Amino acid sequence: DAGVTQTPRHEVAEKGQTIILKCEPVSGHNDLFWYRQTKIQGLELLSYFRSKSLMEDGGAFKDRFKAEMLNSSFSTLKIQPTEPKDSAVYLCASRHYAEQFFGPGTRLTVL
Amino acid sequence: GQQVQQSPASLVLQEGENAELQCNFSSTATRLQWFYQHPGGRLVSLFYNPSGTKHTGRLTSTTVTNERRSSLHISSSQTTDSGTYFCAIPRTGGYKVVFGSGTRLLVSP
Repeated sequence: DAGVTQTPRHEVAEKGQTIILKCEPVSGHNDLFWYRQTKIQGLELLSYFRSKSLMEDGGAFKDRFKAEMLNSSFSTLKIQPTEPKDSAVYLCASRHYAEQFFGPGTRLTVL
Repeated sequence: GQQVQQSPASLVLQEGENAELQCNFSSTATRLQWFYQHPGGRLVSLFYNPSGTKHTGRLTSTTVTNERRSSLHISSSQTTDSGTYFCAIPRTGGYKVVFGSGTRLLVSP
């Protein structure tokens, strides 16, 4: 079992670009989360899927952030258009019952 | 909503010393989880510990649910223990997970 995988590990974008981050959850896990982590804000929930259904679309993030889960083994997070304040580490996690497991994250830098 | 507070915010130890990290939460919680994050690294699950005491290696987690607290004890600390430790708890009645702000541990040789 490879655990949660995320690609790319690093992304550099110009302001206004569209970027797509990818996540593969642990096989068999029903829940998938996208978080953003910064030193100031800590961990912020962006999206949550249960059995591929979007349960949480991130509130304040929803206008430029869109997460999708087309099948149980793959999810994407699209940020469009990117802004410098989006620079952060984006984490994907999957969960089976109670325990969450995190991917290595994608470090996004928006210039 | 669920509040999670961790203390201390930061801790500096000499190698070999023990550490005690605290997590307090605002309502009766289940499914408490402790994570470790090395600088620049991924969040690694240390314990899923809704109640009672669990051990792994030099780490011990004790959760007392009715007192709304959990602790993480690190014995004989090593420089490789340096990093940030988070506790996380699902929000009451929901699926969202609330993370504490973390305890940043630095173990010096």
